[in-house]
Amino acid sequence: QVQLQESGPGLVKPSDTLSLTCVVSGYSIINGYHWGWIRQPPGKALEWIGSIFYTGDTYYNPSLTSRVSMSVDTSKNHFSLRVTSVSAADTAVYYCARGYQYFDSWGQGTLVTVSS
Amino acid sequence: QSALTQPPSASGSPGQSVTISCTGTSSDIGGYTHVSWYQQHPGKVPKLIIYGVNKRPSGVPDRFSGSKSGNTASLTVSGLQAEDEAEYYCTSYADNNNVLFGGGTKLTVL
Repeated sequence: QVQLQESGPGLVKPSDTLSLTCVVSGYSIINGYHWGWIRQPPGKALEWIGSIFYTGDTYYNPSLTSRVSMSVDTSKNHFSLRVTSVSAADTAVYYCARGYQYFDSWGQGTLVTVSS
Repeated sequence: QSALTQPPSASGSPGQSVTISCTGTSSDIGGYTHVSWYQQHPGKVPKLIIYGVNKRPSGVPDRFSGSKSGNTASLTVSGLQAEDEAEYYCTSYADNNNVLFGGGTKLTVL
């Protein structure tokens, strides 16, 4: 059974870069599927950030594309997210998940707070 | 593109059926068959309950069903149970390789 686990700093300063990694276990990334990031500000709705295929093909939310990048490391079976120039509006629980058009397995989520 | 539109709340009594709507445009729901629904209990991880408009992942009760007509998708929960009380989100694939989420609907079991 596939499992996903997010890791990264829980506190990021305004204007800095947010970096998160999602380690996948129980399934090899190169076997297929896209892998995505979704976030949820406190008390608010889910928002898709982007998805990546193991080949490195990426798809980003148009509203975030200028600040977001994703990468995949097949040797470590993990994928990563970077969000540049963060502000308080980027404070959210960040989830990694398997999928693109739909997400069938999710990590537990990690709260990232943007504050000085 | 804007988020998909869901009613903020819905409710029903145990045993009843309730339907939650999700309205988009021809650039998302109306143009593709990639509509999915998620159930999220407070403080918990979202769980996929419907994908591909009307398909259920293994383990999801057949009380949950999905459909689509034009630019509107719907989730129906039949035989409401107390554990169905949760937030429900719809999503759709959209033009330009985008994925849109709805604003969420809080389902209350009376």
